[in-house]
Amino acid sequence: AQSVSQHNHHVILSEAASLELGCNYSYGGTVNLFWYVQYPGQHLQLLLKYFSGDPLVKGIKGFEAEFIKSKFSFNLRKPSVQWSDTAEYFCAVTKAGGTSYGKLTFGQGTILTVHP
Amino acid sequence: ETGVTQTPRHLVMGMTNKKSLKCEQHLGHNAMYWYKQSAKKPLELMFVYSLEERVENNSVPSRFSPECPNSSHLFLHLHTLQPEDSALYLCASSQVVGGPNEKLFFGSGTQLSVL
Repeated sequence: AQSVSQHNHHVILSEAASLELGCNYSYGGTVNLFWYVQYPGQHLQLLLKYFSGDPLVKGIKGFEAEFIKSKFSFNLRKPSVQWSDTAEYFCAVTKAGGTSYGKLTFGQGTILTVHP
Repeated sequence: ETGVTQTPRHLVMGMTNKKSLKCEQHLGHNAMYWYKQSAKKPLELMFVYSLEERVENNSVPSRFSPECPNSSHLFLHLHTLQPEDSALYLCASSQVVGGPNEKLFFGSGTQLSVL
């Protein structure tokens, strides 16, 4: 079975600081990887995803993530955060292939608080 | 708005009650999901319906009973729940095309409290 570990439960930054949120997964096969974000009072929404190809993927709002297969990692980065990035971020994994895309295994989430 | 609507937003029920959660998607998707989000725990997949057929039951107790009458509607019937079932229940939908464009669209959830 897959599992996902997010290293930090709560990260606090000032605006313009750089961000890196860690995500490691446990699964021996080929995976698809996702970052979802939940802004305060809003629904979960997709930030970015990796299926194949270039391991550096870019998402909305200036976020990017790098898939490092040898480290089973998919860390989320942003060079300069804004107050509006305050949210909870979830890493998720699913087995690649077939119709398993909706059956995601999520990490526990990381709350990001950005101070103006 | 994501196009996935869940009602009610909040629900308080006793352990002997029977209640239902409703989810409706307006996106023309052919797969729907129930996820459970408990405090301090990762989101857990409960059920998956694809083309109105249940394709996944992730070891969920029988006191949770899903129903998918058509591709736009998904219910979660609740019966004799326990206090530890208190959680946020999220519905999601997607278009299962078996390719990289598929993504989940989530509703806002139903916050359930079992007394």
